[in-house]
Amino acid sequence: GENVEQHPSTLSVQEGDSAVIKCTYSDSASNYFPWYKQELGKRPQLIIDIRSNVGEKKDQRIAVTLNKTAKHFSLHITETQPEDSAVYFCAAPRSGSQGNLIFGKGTKLSVKP
Amino acid sequence: DGGITQSPKYLFRKEGQNVTLSCEQNLNHDAMYWYRQDPGQGLRLIYYSQIVNDFQKGDIAEGYSVSREKKESFPLTVTSAQKNPTAFYLCASSLRGQGGEQFFGPGTRLTVL
Repeated sequence: GENVEQHPSTLSVQEGDSAVIKCTYSDSASNYFPWYKQELGKRPQLIIDIRSNVGEKKDQRIAVTLNKTAKHFSLHITETQPEDSAVYFCAAPRSGSQGNLIFGKGTKLSVKP
Repeated sequence: DGGITQSPKYLFRKEGQNVTLSCEQNLNHDAMYWYRQDPGQGLRLIYYSQIVNDFQKGDIAEGYSVSREKKESFPLTVTSAQKNPTAFYLCASSLRGQGGEQFFGPGTRLTVL
């Protein structure tokens, strides 16, 4: 069946280092890949997304890359700060159900000062 | 953080009781979703609705029921048939068929005593 695999499940970095989280998906027809950030006890919020017609998208310290051939996409955070500490979720479209998403299991990022 | 609200924030229930979680949105979105979040499990889809008076089961619908009588509202009932209901429940909405951003409510934490 459909699946979105997300790795690693936990990631600890020093402030100022970079962090990379990777997701793989199974449906080659997928065309939309969002990333959500969820702070402790809060709701998930979209931080960046990419559509299949581009290979990379940047927004300040955050970037997402997409490799359609290999069916994986990655979140890159540069110059990490303590406020980047949160759980990050990737997602991909659910086949046959427009607007519906399948989420990865999340990555808990800890940025140590 | 307006746009989509959930109530109550915390809910306690005795075993054997049904309980209804509220979700309201004023974003004029056609599609609404209910997710369950457990530690290390990501966001699992319970039910979704693409239009008023229509809804479909997600991946873990057993023990849950929903209704969609109004565009703005998508309440979730956790029935006594749900064997492990203690969890964090998130409601979301999106534009129908867009394959785009889902907006999340603040969540309800349900605890069964």
